[in-house]
Amino acid sequence: SQKIEQNSEALNIQEGKTATLTCNYTNYSPAYLQWYRQDPGRGPVFLLLIRENEKEKRKERLKVTFDTTLKQSLFHITASQPADSATYLCATDSGNTPLVFGKGTRLSVIA
Amino acid sequence: EPEVTQTPSHQVTQMGQEVILRCVPISNHLYFYWYRQILGQKVEFLVSFYNNEISEKSEIFDDQFSVERPDGSNFTLKIRSTKLEDSAMYFCASSEAGLDSYNEQFFGPGTRLTVL
Repeated sequence: SQKIEQNSEALNIQEGKTATLTCNYTNYSPAYLQWYRQDPGRGPVFLLLIRENEKEKRKERLKVTFDTTLKQSLFHITASQPADSATYLCATDSGNTPLVFGKGTRLSVIA
Repeated sequence: EPEVTQTPSHQVTQMGQEVILRCVPISNHLYFYWYRQILGQKVEFLVSFYNNEISEKSEIFDDQFSVERPDGSNFTLKIRSTKLEDSAMYFCASSEAGLDSYNEQFFGPGTRLTVL
């Protein structure tokens, strides 16, 4: 079955810099990858979806890439702000169950 | 903006008791889901529901679990005889179309279940 790995548990960056988070999948190339934001004690909030035939997707300060050769998606937040501090989850389908989530990367943006 | 709501926000129960977690999905959505998240771990899929029946379920969703849409708005998750390891955050989610249509899922704020 599909596995999603987000190798960085935590990432600290200075305000104004670009944060880059990594998501790797281990088996077959998924049809799409989704990125969610989760604040402590809250449910995930959908941010972006990228399909396997799309190289890049943008939404305001967010950018997601999908590299089927590397089996990887990168999630970028440009001009990061302290309000961007949260856990970011990567998710996809596993082929026989709905969304499979990674463990997430906890981003802290320091003013 | 429409949102998924869940009640209660926190439920404390004794081992062996039955609990019912309630959700009101977004009104025009057709697909409903339950996920759980044990503290410090991944969000895990439990079950999906469409057209008044279960469409998929994970191996976590055993005979102790059941789901129901008793009326046009509520979607419930019942755990018949709770175990200590059922302690987790339970999230309800809904989507306009199925996952094959690449639709985003909207999650509720969660119910924290504590089994003593």
